[in-house]
Amino acid sequence: SAVISQKPSRDICQRGTSLTIQCQVDSQVTMMFWYRQQPGQSLTLIATANQGSEATYESGFVIDKFPISRPNLTFSTLTVSNMSPEDSSIYLCSVDRGGDTGELFFGEGSRLTVL
Amino acid sequence: GENVEQHPSTLSVQEGDSAVIKCTYSDSASNYFPWYKQELGKGPQLIIDIRSNVGEKKDQRIAVTLNKTAKHFSLHITETQPEDSAVYFCAASTRGGSYIPTFGRGTSLIVHP
Repeated sequence: SAVISQKPSRDICQRGTSLTIQCQVDSQVTMMFWYRQQPGQSLTLIATANQGSEATYESGFVIDKFPISRPNLTFSTLTVSNMSPEDSSIYLCSVDRGGDTGELFFGEGSRLTVL
Repeated sequence: GENVEQHPSTLSVQEGDSAVIKCTYSDSASNYFPWYKQELGKGPQLIIDIRSNVGEKKDQRIAVTLNKTAKHFSLHITETQPEDSAVYFCAASTRGGSYIPTFGRGTSLIVHP
């Protein structure tokens, strides 16, 4: 298994500000992902955080809005920039430990409310 | 790309009844089908998965079936208990290829005591 710590667990933010979410994993992993889960919605992949290189963003998500850092194999950050109420969501960090299992491990999420 | 449809969006059952959640997928190359359970305030957690070379898999009260020809798979929970109440997500991916899973929209299961 993998233990993933995310912080903050929740925050209330003002429109136009930015917030950085941190994700710490208890062991080195190759693949780290950031997901968005809007109220009552599914898990939407924002980007794959690549260690030592720029993140790979999914369609509809751009680096200027969601800059991601991955300085090492156990840590990543996601910043939500210039927030609007539409960014109110749960943001989840996830890792794939590799091997043949295919299992994703998720953090408990960061619930952001933008006023 | 892959598209996963999941039904129903909400399922309400009495304790002890069975619950069935169904998913369909579009990409015939998908070969790995996990199910995740998300309890309130927590991240999703894998509860069972099935690969394309298997038609059915059971783990105590939960089972998953896969019909590759029809491109659909289902989660079956028997003898439901209140602690089964959660949101369940199905997903499909291609292990060995672009293995990042595509998730269904989720089913909110409510088990009434």
